[in-house]
Amino acid sequence: AQSVTQLDSHVSVSEGTPVLLRCNYSSSYSPSLFWYVQHPNKGLQLLLKYTSAATLVKGINGFEAEFKKSETSFHLTKPSAHMSDAAEYFCVVSDRAGGYQKVTFGTGTKLQVIP
Amino acid sequence: EAGVAQSPRYKIIEKRQSVAFWCNPISGHATLYWYQQILGQGPKLLIQFQNNGVVDDSQLPKDRFSAERLKGVDSTLKIQPAKLEDSAVYLCASSGWDRSYEQYFGPGTRLTVT
Repeated sequence: AQSVTQLDSHVSVSEGTPVLLRCNYSSSYSPSLFWYVQHPNKGLQLLLKYTSAATLVKGINGFEAEFKKSETSFHLTKPSAHMSDAAEYFCVVSDRAGGYQKVTFGTGTKLQVIP
Repeated sequence: EAGVAQSPRYKIIEKRQSVAFWCNPISGHATLYWYQQILGQGPKLLIQFQNNGVVDDSQLPKDRFSAERLKGVDSTLKIQPAKLEDSAVYLCASSGWDRSYEQYFGPGTRLTVT
């Protein structure tokens, strides 16, 4: 069965401090994993993706994520938060377990950056 | 390459009226998705097409929502009759055959039902 759990609905950090957004997944097959960001009243933007190549994935705006199969995790990190990072972040898992490409979104984590 | 196109971008209707949304995916993409995103929530998959066949419509309220994808290219999503709780952004996405299964999202249609 495919599922994704974002462990925190809200995360608050001070500007300049590290960001950690947690995501755990379940998939019967080799999954692809994605992080999307959505700023208020804006569309979904792909931050980064994992597709069975390097386990440490670098994305846009200084974000990166590490695929850990043993922990079934794909946490999103950034060394230093900027005010512009305040947004909602979605972790997404995708696989072809059912014979077609099935995609599941997490419930989202709202990131607040305090000046 | 051109992105996923959606129209209209905004629509305001009264409850019990009908409305239709249009989506044109990226050329060559076999899989097309319609999502509903209610304010403050994550996207919820309504229906997924592979070419012109439906592979998942388990969360589509079939008594009022319908969707079609003629010739495996563009798609329409219809709501008839609309309810207040249908107010949301309707997102269309498409994906191709590459291994990543990456979805490409359109800008969305913001529906307000009054």
